[in-house]
Amino acid sequence: DADVTQTPRNRITKTGKRIMLECSQTKGHDRMYWYRQDPGLGLRLIYYSFDVKDINKGEISDGYSVSRQAQAKFSLSLESAIPNQTALYFCATSEPGDHRELFFGEGSRLTVL
Amino acid sequence: AQSVTQLGSHVSVSEGALVLLRCNYSSSVPPYLFWYVQYPNQGLQLLLKYTTGATLVKGINGFEAEFKKSETSFHLTKPSAHMSDAAEYFCAVSSSGGYNKLIFGAGTRLAVHP
Repeated sequence: DADVTQTPRNRITKTGKRIMLECSQTKGHDRMYWYRQDPGLGLRLIYYSFDVKDINKGEISDGYSVSRQAQAKFSLSLESAIPNQTALYFCATSEPGDHRELFFGEGSRLTVL
Repeated sequence: AQSVTQLGSHVSVSEGALVLLRCNYSSSVPPYLFWYVQYPNQGLQLLLKYTTGATLVKGINGFEAEFKKSETSFHLTKPSAHMSDAAEYFCAVSSSGGYNKLIFGAGTRLAVHP
């Protein structure tokens, strides 16, 4: 089984719908991240969390919210999805400290019609 | 502010040929640099990273990268491409301040043909 698991792997939804992407990890890492990947733009950070009580906005947090339900679980929500949120979303984890390796899930592909 | 520029969104090489993927960075502090690889339908995985010390860094699968401060570059190379190297490659720089946030380049898709 993967160390970082994302569900769903693929989702098609309509404009205005609420969507939740879930991430769970078995690596025992405190730090968790949500990134968005768009062609030609690389990955951009949406939110990150250093422990259950610590959640921080990344560079593109508008239109998104997160919940850290436990050390192992970090969910990303789109309260009212719009077409330009169509993208590939990645959850990642890391150990504490600077310049650590990120461990990624396999991604959740979201299409908003 | 830190940034990463990857020159060439698509690179195509023949099997057995040299692979060269270019990355230039901008950073006001000493950079920590990474190369990640993304195979089709998978997440990213670390190829190699530069922290301090030796400027030539060896990674997995025969890849290596050289940190050149004077050129603000961190190009990725492999002497002989394999078909299995076909993937998308991302260069990234790590921000300072204890937050471990990576700033990624736009990516380079490597195609390897027979």
